[in-house]
Amino acid sequence: IAGITQAPTSQILAAGRRMTLRCTQDMRHNAMYWYRQDLGLGLRLIHYSNTAGTTGKGEVPDGYSVSRANTDDFPLTLASAVPSQTSVYFCASSAGGGADTQYFGPGTRLTVL
Amino acid sequence: GQNIDQPTEMTATEGAIVQINCTYQTSGFNGLFWYQQHAGEAPTFLSYNVLDGLEEKGRFSSFLSRSKGYSYLLLKELQMKDSASYLCAVVSNDYKLSFGAGTTVTVRA
Repeated sequence: IAGITQAPTSQILAAGRRMTLRCTQDMRHNAMYWYRQDLGLGLRLIHYSNTAGTTGKGEVPDGYSVSRANTDDFPLTLASAVPSQTSVYFCASSAGGGADTQYFGPGTRLTVL
Repeated sequence: GQNIDQPTEMTATEGAIVQINCTYQTSGFNGLFWYQQHAGEAPTFLSYNVLDGLEEKGRFSSFLSRSKGYSYLLLKELQMKDSASYLCAVVSNDYKLSFGAGTTVTVRA
């Protein structure tokens, strides 16, 4: 089934540890995005990539890094996790980087203790 | 910055109509999306408006007034499965989505 997959589904992590959230899409979409969703705040953009080989910062990029080595994969890395990074993380993709509809993965629930 | 406001919660009866309002003040405007999100799941696309007026899609309709910075999502003939959060998102000048905090709709029998 075409779409976006994320791994892991959930994770409990000790503060200070490094963690990579994985995202893969098979729709050959050019643009990919990482959001975090916190209660009462809605979805906030962390990083994005308009095409393979390029990345950009969103609204809340501090403490996170991304890479886009190919079209399909867009991993999000927390170099040294902190409790404020406890959240639900959604990866999304769209055909182009404009106003094209974004399609979301199932999310990763991350708890940093 | 972006400012997108929508009510936190709404409750309605099965078979009724509910209107979810969204007002926005953003850096430019390139369209407005509505997404549905069931608890513990991913947001799914409902509608996209870029021109003023009403877009109807089955039981769901979305309206946009760019001059007023206002949109609403209308859910008709409510069903229990419509209990979910509804997210308003605006495409700003840099073509990035800014989301409201979402409106949780509870449908009661």
